[in-house]
Amino acid sequence: KNQVEQSPQSLIILEGKNCTLQCNYTVSPFSNLRWYKQDTGRGPVSLTIMTFSENTKSNGRYTATLDADTKQSSLHITASQLSDSASYICVVSGRTGANNLFFGTGTRLTVIP
Amino acid sequence: GAGVSQTPSNKVTEKGKYVELRCDPISGHTALYWYRQSLGQGPEFLIYFQGTGAADDSGLPNDRFFAVRPEGSVSTLKIQRTERGDSAVYLCASSPSKGTGELFFGEGSRLTVL
Repeated sequence: KNQVEQSPQSLIILEGKNCTLQCNYTVSPFSNLRWYKQDTGRGPVSLTIMTFSENTKSNGRYTATLDADTKQSSLHITASQLSDSASYICVVSGRTGANNLFFGTGTRLTVIP
Repeated sequence: GAGVSQTPSNKVTEKGKYVELRCDPISGHTALYWYRQSLGQGPEFLIYFQGTGAADDSGLPNDRFFAVRPEGSVSTLKIQRTERGDSAVYLCASSPSKGTGELFFGEGSRLTVL
């Protein structure tokens, strides 16, 4: 069964600290994996996309990794800011060009001063 | 505007009423998706359009839900005989036909059924 599981479900960290969010998936075949950030009351916004051949990709203070062999991805946030407080959703695409998107339930990150 | 626009942003209705939610995608995006999101959950797929046709409506929970996209642009999600369990945020997303498949989401329509 195609699934995407994220951990932790929620996380509270102090401003300025680093954190890592996890995404494990069983989707096959695999096309790509995206991390989305969803602020409260807003729609999700794409942070980064990982394809099969990519191991790591950075977008400012966000760094995503992908291990296609173990089917695991992580999102590392460096020097967290209050504005990083949001839900982070992992979305795995099972097949290019088709409606085959599998969503995780998200990790709720709260950054406190 | 340049982004996906959804209206209304908030809708409160009574059980049994009919509701329409509108999505105006990014111009030129051929793919359009509707999702439903409950508090603390990830988006749940409802229906996917490629152009004017519903390419995949397997996520619609029952026949009270229906969506159209008559001219391949604006889409309307229609819910008949609303139930309290329909209360959620309904998200619309669009995507270009070519590219990496990134979804561009609207801000959502929050539906509350009393």
